[in-house]
Amino acid sequence: GAVVSQHPSRVICKSGTSVKIECRSLDFQATTMFWYRQFPKQSLMLMATSNEGSKATYEQGVEKDKFLINHASLTLSTLTVTSAHPEDSSFYICSARGTVTGNQPQHFGDGTRLSIL
Amino acid sequence: AQSVTQPDIHITVSEGASLELRCNYSYGATPYLFWYVQSPGQGLQLLLKYFSGDTLVQGIKGFEAEFKRSQSSFNLRKPSVHWSDAAEYFCAVGAPEYGNKLVFGAGTILRVKS
Repeated sequence: GAVVSQHPSRVICKSGTSVKIECRSLDFQATTMFWYRQFPKQSLMLMATSNEGSKATYEQGVEKDKFLINHASLTLSTLTVTSAHPEDSSFYICSARGTVTGNQPQHFGDGTRLSIL
Repeated sequence: AQSVTQPDIHITVSEGASLELRCNYSYGATPYLFWYVQSPGQGLQLLLKYFSGDTLVQGIKGFEAEFKRSQSSFNLRKPSVHWSDAAEYFCAVGAPEYGNKLVFGAGTILRVKS
């Protein structure tokens, strides 16, 4: 159980393109979803936290107009990288948690490799 | 805020040997503690978690971890490593007053030699 599906797994596109990444919880309802960014050979950096039906909470230094997050249902959150540029190239990973209480683990998707040419 | 230190960037062990990956955290109370494993180009898989109770936690794939409050540590162990265990391992800490967001350590890359 607790499967999180992330799509697409890899995206290559031109500079200036907007890219949408989907994160779905397949067998549970995700009250909270998280979006992370991981640079090569580095740890995960939390970008934002989204709760179903409310606005996402962004971490300091993350541009909310650049990285649009929508969590419209209990099984789907999307991250849209708007007008992507080469510096946005990275590995983006989502995770989902099924309950409001904190002592439940986050379950991660397989990540999306974004390459902006 | 909570923080996590994984002192070893790389560890190499022989197949069949025992393994211990270190994790130290900084937090005033008992946090929620997790170990995740990441294979190249993939997401993270939960190995085990500690919230309260028995300080020795059993996880998947034969892994275990022990919470030691006095040392602020949550080291991951496996008695006999398999070649398929080669991956990157992340320790993570969560705490209620920080919105239960996870803070990850820098990761430890495990190499297994045959």
